[in-house]
Amino acid sequence: EVQLVESGGGLVPPGGSLRLSCVGSGFIFSRHSMNWVRQAPGKGLEWVSYINISSSTIYYADSVKGRFTISRDNAKNSLYLQMNSLRAEDTAVYYCAREVYYGGKNCLDPWGQGTLVTVSS
Amino acid sequence: IQMTQSPSSLSVFVGDRVTITCRASQSISRYLNWYQQKAGEAPKLLISGASSLQSGVPPRFSGSGSGTDFTLTINSLQPEDFATYYCQQSFTFARYTFGQGTKVEI
Repeated sequence: EVQLVESGGGLVPPGGSLRLSCVGSGFIFSRHSMNWVRQAPGKGLEWVSYINISSSTIYYADSVKGRFTISRDNAKNSLYLQMNSLRAEDTAVYYCAREVYYGGKNCLDPWGQGTLVTVSS
Repeated sequence: IQMTQSPSSLSVFVGDRVTITCRASQSISRYLNWYQQKAGEAPKLLISGASSLQSGVPPRFSGSGSGTDFTLTINSLQPEDFATYYCQQSFTFARYTFGQGTKVEI
C-alpha cells in the first residue's frame, strides 16, 4: 500500500521554528517529486512547496518563500519542511503529497494524514 | 492562475444529481484535478486530467471541460459523498493552485 506519514507538528511561539517530516512507503520514493500543501483551520487548501527527485528543482509559495526550506533524503524515503520565523498565519494542517502522472497529466496522489502546526504564544 | 469554484456550498438530498463548476483565470488545457475531502481526513484524488476517473472511484462521479471551464458531476448522490470538493490546476508546473472548495451538505 502506498502510504505517506507526516510528523513533527506541534505548538510553537511566533518567530519560532519547526521541522516537519514525511516518510513514504509502498513505492519507490526516489522516483517521485513531492509537495507540501497546508490547510488553515476551516479553510481551503494552499500549495506550499515542491521538490523534484534530485532536489535540483525547488519551488515555494510566495507566502513562505525565504522562511521555509524543503528537502529530501531518498535513502531514508523522507521529505522534510524546515519552517523558520513562523507566524500566526502559518497555523495549519500540513500535508505531504506525492506527485504522479496519470495519462500525461500531473496530480497529487496520495496525501499523508497531515500534521498540525499551531503558531501561538 | 486563479481557480474559482461555485457554489461554495450546497444542500442536497441522497439521490440528487450534483454539479460543481470550476473556472480558471486563464486556459489550463485539461490540467485540472478534483479532490474529495471528508471531515477530519486528507484530500483524496478523484479525477485527473479533467475527466479521468481514478481507480476505485465510483462511476457516479464524472468530470468534464477544458480550457477555462470545468465541471464535476455526481449522479445519484450517496451518503458517503457528503464532503468538500476541490479543483486544482497543474498547468503551471509545480506551482499549483486550488479552488476554494465546495461543501456538499445534507
